[in-house]
Amino acid sequence: DAKTTQPNSMESNEEEPVHLPCNHSTISGTDYIHWYRQLPSQGPEYVIHGLTSNVNNRMASLAIAEDRKSSTLILHRATLRDAAVYYCILRDGGGAQKLVFGQGTRLTINP
Amino acid sequence: EAGVVQSPRYKIIEKKQPVAFWCNPISGHNTLYWYLQNLGQGPELLIRYENEEAVDDSQLPKDRFSAERLKGVDSTLKIQPAELGDSAVYLCASSPTSGVEAFFGQGTRLTVV
Repeated sequence: DAKTTQPNSMESNEEEPVHLPCNHSTISGTDYIHWYRQLPSQGPEYVIHGLTSNVNNRMASLAIAEDRKSSTLILHRATLRDAAVYYCILRDGGGAQKLVFGQGTRLTINP
Repeated sequence: EAGVVQSPRYKIIEKKQPVAFWCNPISGHNTLYWYLQNLGQGPELLIRYENEEAVDDSQLPKDRFSAERLKGVDSTLKIQPAELGDSAVYLCASSPTSGVEAFFGQGTRLTVV
């Protein structure tokens, strides 16, 4: 399974943008980049995914480097409810459906 | 629509006792996962089902853990006998076979004393 590297923790202020980085230098051509987040005492929830192009949805934006060796999850205006552990995951689009979680980034939002 | 339902939410048992967790996936989702999450760690896959077939159980400790998904719908994960190190959160998730997104339940927090 291709590996991702994320900072253990990050801190930001409410209503400010947050950029969560992820390195995945061994990504293969068929790997999609998925982001999940886990709120306290909850199961993980899907945030966004992409292959090559930048992606936007109602929750966040995903910026993917041209060489695909890194990506950044962008929360445009963080709220206190965005405090969670964010996981960057590579998922093979060609077959296996499993999600392999790393340790993620614990995001703290200050009021 | 109801999400993935797990029960119980919390379970405390003595070591060497058996324990079982139940999961009801979202209707129509053929893929079902069981994950284990230790404190401060990301979830780790135990087993993945496609309908009633276990297609990936390489991380399931088969000496004490077992799982079943009869009729390809709900699933049960069992530990017998439980050990102190089994204390963790057990998460169930489901997705459509070709789906992008996996939907997780709230998990069962197991404490073995």
